[in-house]
Amino acid sequence: DAKTTQPPSMDCAEGRAANLPCNHSTISGNEYVYWYRQIHSQGPQYIIHGLKNNETNEMASLIITEDRKSSTLILPHATLRDTAVYYCIVPIGGATNKLIFGTGTLLAVQP
Amino acid sequence: GAVVSQHPSWVICKSGTSVKIECRSLDFQATTMFWYRQFPKQSLMLMATSNEGSKATYEQGVEKDKFLINHASLTLSTLTVTSAHPEDSSFYICSAPDLGGFVSVGYTFGSGTRLTVV
Repeated sequence: DAKTTQPPSMDCAEGRAANLPCNHSTISGNEYVYWYRQIHSQGPQYIIHGLKNNETNEMASLIITEDRKSSTLILPHATLRDTAVYYCIVPIGGATNKLIFGTGTLLAVQP
Repeated sequence: GAVVSQHPSWVICKSGTSVKIECRSLDFQATTMFWYRQFPKQSLMLMATSNEGSKATYEQGVEKDKFLINHASLTLSTLTVTSAHPEDSSFYICSAPDLGGFVSVGYTFGSGTRLTVV
């Protein structure tokens, strides 16, 4: 089961790019990396996921290192509404593919 | 996109009573539903996994007789907190994998239920 490590908190200036790192050094070859965020008192929101290649969608970009042992979530132009806890997760394999949440990174976007 | 509707969004109940929380998948079939609990300033903790038509699987340390889970159809899973006590006060969240549980797609979360036991 792959585990992830994230910094507990980060600050970012509004309008600047927010780069959130994640280490998943024990990830196996067929395991995906998922990113979610949780705004206070709401359910987690899906952001992006990837396997090997870098991914981009309307919310963010995901950069995965070649050895797949780490990844970075990039919010290109952070806004105050992006203040949230960001979770990097590698689902536990098998029939249930469970999402086990770590402590995440609290991103505080400053005006 | 896929939506999981969770109700109620908040509930206050008296100690000793039972509370039912419902999660419905609105535009997809959820053969699997995950139930989480979150205490203030903590991360989500997986409680159990429900599968349509079979018994739920509980994580270690979660009392199955206290947290009753039913997954009677492909669009509805329920969590009943029986004989609730103040220590059961928490934020409960459900989640379902899209498109039948394949790992390559996202997981959709409900909006959560804030349970307060007085």
